[in-house]
Amino acid sequence: DAKTTQPTSMDCAEGRAANLPCNHSTISGNEYVYWYRQIHSQGPQYIIHGLKNNETNEMASLIITEDRKSSTLILPHATLRDTAVYYCIVRPANSGGYQKVTFGIGTKLQVIP
Amino acid sequence: KAGVTQTPRYLIKTRGQQVTLSCSPISGHRSVSWYQQTPGQGLQFLFEYFSETQRNKGNFPGRFSGRQFSNSRSEMNVSTLELGDSALYLCASSSSGPSIVNEQFFGPGTRLTVL
Repeated sequence: DAKTTQPTSMDCAEGRAANLPCNHSTISGNEYVYWYRQIHSQGPQYIIHGLKNNETNEMASLIITEDRKSSTLILPHATLRDTAVYYCIVRPANSGGYQKVTFGIGTKLQVIP
Repeated sequence: KAGVTQTPRYLIKTRGQQVTLSCSPISGHRSVSWYQQTPGQGLQFLFEYFSETQRNKGNFPGRFSGRQFSNSRSEMNVSTLELGDSALYLCASSSSGPSIVNEQFFGPGTRLTVL
């Protein structure tokens, strides 16, 4: 039952890169790292996921360490609309493992003008 | 394509009552999961349904139950409400079947207040 630890809060200047760390030292070989974010009063929004290679999409980049015990979500040019709570979770590829998924408290990212 | 919809958006109940929340997944999605979100506990997994069958269940008492219909719409029920059941209840759908990695799409949630 892999769990994640994230800082409670972070600030980032508008236009700068936001780097959000996540530790998942007990991650299993078949577990993916997922990132979601939740803007106030809305449901969580999927951002990106990866297994062991770095991933990039139109929203963000995901950097996973070689030992897979930690990862970093990078928002390359943070805007005020990126202010949200960011959740890092791990889950197995098989959806049958959903019962082990815990979102936790996440990191509250505040983008400052 | 329409997103996940949840009804009602807000609900106020009193202790001892029961409540039923509804979730309509994205068209074509067959998996529906339910989560409870409170300030102190974050997002906690309740249960997941796929093709009308409960596949997984989180660590919640039996007062929390759910079901899924043939059109993939899902309902969750909480009986004998307690003050601690006040929370945002989120529904998420995905197209995943077993062994398929996929992201979930969340609805806006139902805010339940128990007085």
